[in-house]
Amino acid sequence: EAGVTQSPTHLIKTRGQQATLRCSPISGHTSVYWYQQALGLGLQFLLWYDEGEERNRGNFPPRFSGRQFPNYSSELNVNALELEDSALYLCASSLLAGGNSPLHFGNGTRLTVT
Amino acid sequence: AQSVTQLGSHVSVSEGALVLLRCNYSSSVPPYLFWYVQYPNQGLQLLLKYTSAATLVKGINGFEAEFKKSETSFHLTKPSAHMSDAAEYFCAVKTSGGSYIPTFGRGTSLIVHP
Repeated sequence: EAGVTQSPTHLIKTRGQQATLRCSPISGHTSVYWYQQALGLGLQFLLWYDEGEERNRGNFPPRFSGRQFPNYSSELNVNALELEDSALYLCASSLLAGGNSPLHFGNGTRLTVT
Repeated sequence: AQSVTQLGSHVSVSEGALVLLRCNYSSSVPPYLFWYVQYPNQGLQLLLKYTSAATLVKGINGFEAEFKKSETSFHLTKPSAHMSDAAEYFCAVKTSGGSYIPTFGRGTSLIVHP
């Protein structure tokens, strides 16, 4: 079974540009979560998609957005990049949104904003 | 509301010594609890999960955790540390009160000395 895949592995952008990060969940998983892991801050919840709909978003500005496609893959867009957006962005998928179903993580996209 | 506190951002042990990583949670409803491990430049990998079937949960790589409701704790232990256990460990809580979105602790870096 293929795991969660994220692309690109690394992304370097300059301040003010836009970044697009992609995620393919495990086959059969319909829920996709995005987290930001900045140095020393742990994992901060960004967005949750399930069955093609945005179900919840964390405490991030609107320039962080995304979508989920019919094949359940997902895209995270970050507009008007700021230096503090530099972080590891992790995507995770889950078989079920509720209950004790754990998250399965990809290896992340390292975004560097200069 | 739900939250997780991991006591100690760094824990240092000698190879062969007991590993104890602390996790306390806050939740007004019964929680689902998880421990994940993150190796350098990788995503998070599930170590074990608590699902209310048993208070002592065994996971991969010889780790186990005990759910103590009275102490709102879910500490992770391993009898004998190996060099390969050096990594970042995250505790996470998931509840209906939090819309089943996992909340993660800030992580504990485990350092294993030879």
